[in-house]
Amino acid sequence: AQSVTQLDSQVPVFEEAPVELRCNYSSSVSVYLFWYVQYPNQGLQLLLKYLSGSTLVKGINGFEAEFNKSQTSFHLRKPSVHISDTAEYFCAVRGSGGYQKVTFGTGTKLQVIP
Amino acid sequence: GAGVSQTPSNKVTEKGKYVELRCDPISGHTALYWYRQSLGQGPEFLIYFQGTGAADDSGLPNDRFFAVRPEGSVSTLKIQRTERGDSAVYLCAGAVAGGPGNEQFFGPGTRLTVL
Repeated sequence: AQSVTQLDSQVPVFEEAPVELRCNYSSSVSVYLFWYVQYPNQGLQLLLKYLSGSTLVKGINGFEAEFNKSQTSFHLRKPSVHISDTAEYFCAVRGSGGYQKVTFGTGTKLQVIP
Repeated sequence: GAGVSQTPSNKVTEKGKYVELRCDPISGHTALYWYRQSLGQGPEFLIYFQGTGAADDSGLPNDRFFAVRPEGSVSTLKIQRTERGDSAVYLCAGAVAGGPGNEQFFGPGTRLTVL
């Protein structure tokens, strides 16, 4: 079984400032990690995923995340945010062996302030 | 259509009633997932279909919840004797297959309100 913790329920940040959204996971097996974004009244959209290989993963819209196995973290970063990045962001984890269900965190609302 | 569609977008019902929520995934997506998202929470897994069969229904909260996918495309989530605690957004997602990293494509959800 896996679990995900997103420590910040809301993150306000000024436009063009950098942002980091934190995600920690717990698992007894190797994992795959994901970040999804949910804009108001829309479905979740995949931002990026870590399956294996390089621990620095680049996604859409200028976002990137770094897998840190020793700290069991997968924090999401963007060097300069835009108003359009205002949305809710979900971190998710699943075990890497065979079929495994995906477990989502509780989400972080990013509010970009003009 | 180009994306995953879910109908209705909103459903208001009374306690004790029966509801059906429909998901129409992208053509060719053999894997289909249902999730429930309560206010302030992330999506919670309910059931996973591979083709027509439910490969994992361990997330269904109780026997009032049931889902079908008779032809391997459209899926219907059925809730009997609805309770106020069933109020949530029900999300559907499809994927090319149930493989490990295959991206799940989500629909916009159905917001269910049980009065």
